[in-house]
Amino acid sequence: DVVMTQTPVSMSVSLGGQVSISCRSSQSLVHNNGNTYLSWYIQKPSQSPQLLIYKVSNRFSGISDRFSGSGSGTDFTLKISRVEPDDLGVYYCGQGTQYPLTFGSGTKLEIK
Amino acid sequence: EVQLVESGGGLVQPGRSLKLSCVASGFTFNNYWMTWIRQAPGKGLEWVASITNTGGSTYYPDSVKGRFTISRDNAKSTLYLQMNSLRSEDTATYYCTMAADYWGQGVMVTVSS
Repeated sequence: DVVMTQTPVSMSVSLGGQVSISCRSSQSLVHNNGNTYLSWYIQKPSQSPQLLIYKVSNRFSGISDRFSGSGSGTDFTLKISRVEPDDLGVYYCGQGTQYPLTFGSGTKLEIK
Repeated sequence: EVQLVESGGGLVQPGRSLKLSCVASGFTFNNYWMTWIRQAPGKGLEWVASITNTGGSTYYPDSVKGRFTISRDNAKSTLYLQMNSLRSEDTATYYCTMAADYWGQGVMVTVSS
């Protein structure tokens, strides 16, 4: 199984600041078809997870350009710029390249 | 607007069965793979099952293989999860997702005597 390791476990940021969350996979996430199926989600308090980024760097419908994804192979990063109060929650990375689908353990973002 | 509405959760004793349903709307249901993902209380996300758009193929992790069955009725735009031989470790909120892109609000399943 592909193990997804997220760091940090939690972080606190001031409004207007910038954060980076790291996600590393135990195996390459490059699929045989050439795509890399690495996604990022946010789970706001008492809500379902929602997709932010898919295939490493593609913003999902309606997602602000303050969110950006990058990386390749086994090393990926989510950056959030100009942090707003609504950004608080737990961020998860997840891989869809191979079964079983797996997720990181989450990064809790708190607002100072 | 994509909507996924789960139902069928509740309290069930260990070893018993439960069937979850998810009614989809706002997209062409029979064009998309569907997936169940669960989240134990205070824990992270765990993939439970996926099914192709036609229902011809299904996929499960070892933790539920042989106990859970995912199915779909494309005429009713409805996804199902039949859960048998339930264990305490199956206690979680179960989310219906459209290829893990869109998520329902979740339904709670508690396995306890």
